[in-house]
Amino acid sequence: EVQLVESGGGLVQPGRSLRLSCAASGFSFNDYAMYWVRQAPGKGLEWVSGISWNSGYIGYADSVKGRFTISRDNAKNSLYLQMNSLRTEDTALYYCGKKMSTAGTGWGAYDYWGQGALVIVSS
Amino acid sequence: AIQMTQSPSSLSAAVGDRVTITCRASQDIRNDLGWYQQKPGKAPKLLIYAASTLQSGVPSRISGSGSGTDFTLTISSLQPEDFATYYCLQDYNSPPTFGHGTKVEIK
Repeated sequence: EVQLVESGGGLVQPGRSLRLSCAASGFSFNDYAMYWVRQAPGKGLEWVSGISWNSGYIGYADSVKGRFTISRDNAKNSLYLQMNSLRTEDTALYYCGKKMSTAGTGWGAYDYWGQGALVIVSS
Repeated sequence: AIQMTQSPSSLSAAVGDRVTITCRASQDIRNDLGWYQQKPGKAPKLLIYAASTLQSGVPSRISGSGSGTDFTLTISSLQPEDFATYYCLQDYNSPPTFGHGTKVEIK
């Protein structure tokens, strides 16, 4: 059974940093691109960042570029999101997930999602 | 970034109704579009990928169509478990972008 479990969320002051982790199990982690999507309270979904299976291709939303860094450790079946210079508008539930297929060069469709890690940025 | 215009933003429908949700891309995205369903307090669930391919386990009353810039999600006969919010997502280029969502409510 595929499982994705996020951790590392919490309350943080504006300008500070936080690191999210996503522990993956039940599939061959090192074969799949992974991503982060967030959802502000009561709002829609926003794609944040994605990383290819070998970390060779990485993408970011314009809203987080230069502040957030995605990474992965295939030996530990783990995905990370380092969030620096946090802003109040970064307050959201952050989901990690996996690309459905190992084929293709695009970010593709996402077939498994975690339950999310809540990040609250407030003074 | 490609803009995805989703409509309507909400709709009320009865069980058994046919429901159609549309997404329009700001440029040609071929068929690189997926549809997701989200229920309150839950993670999104993939329904359709490549514009019209039904994800395994998704009931056949749900279908997707379109290519280029105009896409449609159709539920042929709305069931109680279909009341949720639906999002389209283009993955033609980076960054992928979601539509703003369509909330399907009970009439």
